[in-house]
Amino acid sequence: NAGVTQTPKFQVLKTGQSMTLQCAQDMNHNSMYWYRQDPGMGLRLIYYSASEGTTDKGEVPNGYNVSRLNKREFSLRLESAAPSQTSVYFCASRTGLSYEQYFGPGTRLTVT
Amino acid sequence: RKEVEQDPGPFNVPEGATVAFNCTYSNSASQSFFWYRQDCRKEPKLLMSVYSSGNEDGRFTAQLNRASQYISLLIRDSKLSDSATYLCVVNTNNNDMRFGAGTRLTVKP
Repeated sequence: NAGVTQTPKFQVLKTGQSMTLQCAQDMNHNSMYWYRQDPGMGLRLIYYSASEGTTDKGEVPNGYNVSRLNKREFSLRLESAAPSQTSVYFCASRTGLSYEQYFGPGTRLTVT
Repeated sequence: RKEVEQDPGPFNVPEGATVAFNCTYSNSASQSFFWYRQDCRKEPKLLMSVYSSGNEDGRFTAQLNRASQYISLLIRDSKLSDSATYLCVVNTNNNDMRFGAGTRLTVKP
């Protein structure tokens, strides 16, 4: 089992460019999450998907969109990147039976 | 005020020392509590859940004080491999996990 995988690992964008961060899990988990981690701020929830076909906003959704493509995949899209979106992005998943979240290795995004 | 607050440290301790971290949370409706560990430039991983009665896992002891709204983590007999950032996590509703900014621990020989 690969667990939670994320692509790309690193990305540099110019202001105004768009991109999609990909996340996939092979643990048959129902719930999936996107977080960003900034120095001194801890992880903050951007969007989550409690089950296939549903998505909901988290604490900091502005500037992002998500798609739960199927049970395995949950993508995060930046339509027009801004320097304030420079961060490390983590995808996570969990079953409905436990609160334990399993995280992917992260994507380091820099917006110049 | 942040919902989950932790002393950022760093805590620098010698091998074999006992070290304790505290975390406070602001939402009294919070239901579930956890400690995650995050190594440098890696993803967070669950260290342990925190139960009302307190719980222990080897050298690690977690306690919850609902009245004062704080959680603690005690590490006994510190090892070099314990060096990491420890994240306090509080769950208020089913999918809303709030993370503290983390406490950095360095264990030195």
